[in-house]
Amino acid sequence: AQSVTQLDSQVPVFEEAPVELRCNYSSSVSVYLFWYVQYPNQGLQLLLKYLSGSTLVKGINGFEAEFNKSQTSFHLRKPSVHISDTAEYFCAVSRFGGATNKLIFGTGTLLAVQP
Amino acid sequence: DAGITQSPRHKVTETGTPVTLRCHQTENHRYMYWYRQDPGHGLRLIHYSYGVKDTDKGEVSDGYSVSRSKTEDFLLTLESATSSQTSVYFCAISADRDTEAFFGQGTRLTVV
Repeated sequence: AQSVTQLDSQVPVFEEAPVELRCNYSSSVSVYLFWYVQYPNQGLQLLLKYLSGSTLVKGINGFEAEFNKSQTSFHLRKPSVHISDTAEYFCAVSRFGGATNKLIFGTGTLLAVQP
Repeated sequence: DAGITQSPRHKVTETGTPVTLRCHQTENHRYMYWYRQDPGHGLRLIHYSYGVKDTDKGEVSDGYSVSRSKTEDFLLTLESATSSQTSVYFCAISADRDTEAFFGQGTRLTVV
């Protein structure tokens, strides 16, 4: 079975500062990794995904994440945040080669960008 | 935006009543999923479907049933609603098992 841990429930940061949202996973098999963003009262939108290949993945809105297999991590980063980045961010995994794209989600990290 | 419509968007119902939530897609994607979102739990998979009439349980399936008689529709039924089923319910679709999942706007269900 797979599991995902997002240790930080909330991350406050000032506008234009860099940010890192942490994600660690546990799995006995290879996994695909995802970051989703949820703006208030909306559904989830895919930010980026790691399926294979380069461990540094670039996504939308200037976000990137690095897959680290030895540390079982997939941390999300942005060099300079904007007020509009205020949202909840979810890390998720699915089993590589699984029968379906069943996603296992972390509990989410609320990114609060302050002026 | 992926063509996913959830209905209703908001519902208040009484304990013990049956409730059906509908997810409709226009993408002809094979896979459909129902998740619930609760504070402190993130999203948890209730049921999923990998084709017409092909469904299976997720991690929190007790008290829920699903049906998929057409590719485009995936119904979630709470057979006898309880207060613990108060939640926001999201439908998701994916074309294949290793492609991204697209999410609907959610249904906020309150059981009183």
